[in-house]
Amino acid sequence: GQQVQQSPASLVLQEGENAELQCNFSSTATQLQWFYQSPGGSLVSLLSNPSGTKHTGRLTSTTVTKERRSSLHISSSQTTDSGTYLCAIDIYTGKLTFGDGTVLTVKP
Amino acid sequence: GPKVLQIPSHQIIDMGQMVTLNCDPVSNHLYFYWYKQILGQQMEFLVNFYNGKVMEKSKLFKDQFSVERPDGSYFTLKIQPTALEDSAVYFCASSSRRDTLYFGAGTRLSVL
Repeated sequence: GQQVQQSPASLVLQEGENAELQCNFSSTATQLQWFYQSPGGSLVSLLSNPSGTKHTGRLTSTTVTKERRSSLHISSSQTTDSGTYLCAIDIYTGKLTFGDGTVLTVKP
Repeated sequence: GPKVLQIPSHQIIDMGQMVTLNCDPVSNHLYFYWYKQILGQQMEFLVNFYNGKVMEKSKLFKDQFSVERPDGSYFTLKIQPTALEDSAVYFCASSSRRDTLYFGAGTRLSVL
């Protein structure tokens, strides 16, 4: 089965609304990263959060290691937040395994 | 934050030719990676590289692929010869101690 599962697959919001993205994984992760992939394809690392809660700007990630899940909260969404959000984990292998992503569309 | 640069951003090449994708990793990083993403599909691991050697490669890392980092300069992915199915975006990444990976913006390879 798939090691990293992200939900929802897609999400449509009005500008100003909050987004909650989920990532569930099948094995204990030694590393977990959230990425943003623009519609043009370029990849940006948002947060590295193998456990606990981390904040950066309008982003908050909470990872509960024992429950093998992580969430990414985007507050006050903007149209420029539109794109694909990817969750990726490392399970003692030294390489990241990616989920399929959540496609976020923020409408003005 | 730390930057990984990939050159060029887009490369178009005829099937059967050789192509070299270049990556300028973060300066003090020791671990290097290549990932492949076919349009609309999942990002997939190709290979990782440390201390001048390939540590691990996936099934996607065909015999036609090779990686090197001569004299601490660019970390390169060479494909020789290219095939149509090699068309994808190739992402380079680097890390200092196998923790947070920093990715480049990717090189879109189009094999015609």
